[in-house]
Amino acid sequence: ILNVEQSPQSLHVQEGDSTNFTCSFPSSNFYALHWYRWETAKSPEALFVMTLNGDEKKKGRISATLNTKEGYSYLYIKGSQPEDSATYLCASENTNAGKSTFGDGTTLTVKP
Amino acid sequence: DTAVSQTPKYLVTQMGNDKSIKCEQNLGHDTMYWYKQDSKKFLKIMFSYNNKELIINETVPNRFSPKSPDKAHLNLHINSLELGDSAVYFCASSQDGGSYEQYFGPGTRLTVT
Repeated sequence: ILNVEQSPQSLHVQEGDSTNFTCSFPSSNFYALHWYRWETAKSPEALFVMTLNGDEKKKGRISATLNTKEGYSYLYIKGSQPEDSATYLCASENTNAGKSTFGDGTTLTVKP
Repeated sequence: DTAVSQTPKYLVTQMGNDKSIKCEQNLGHDTMYWYKQDSKKFLKIMFSYNNKELIINETVPNRFSPKSPDKAHLNLHINSLELGDSAVYFCASSQDGGSYEQYFGPGTRLTVT
């Protein structure tokens, strides 16, 4: 059974601050790591899928890194904006069947 | 057009009833999933189908039965509903099984009274 953990559970920052949070996952039999953005009353939206150790992905002000050997991924947001407020989920796969185990998310609140 | 759609969006029903939730994707994906968001807001996978074939079947009561008439549809039928079945159920699809982005539907909020 995979145990995916995210920290911190919640985060409050000021507009313009840069921030980052962590997803840790079992490194054995790793297949893929997903990051999602989940706004209140909406459904999760895919941000990144990463598979290779050392992968770095970027989308606008958001970027992510992956370390499969030690089992962690970081999500970075540069210059946070109020519209970045959401819960950020990571999910790890250990097979190619698409079976994702989700962390419980980091809830980010960006104050204007 | 909505990529992944679910109906109904809200479902309120009594214990013991049988109900279905429908999911359709127009993305041409081969794989579809059902997730349950539990009371602690965690997302847990229930089932996945690849091209109408059951691939993932987690430890879910057999009152829950998925049906995939074609690869664009994955419906979830629930028999003898119980109070503990109250949750938000999300459908998702991806191009193929692993390492592909999953696209989520809007969710169906099921309330069992």
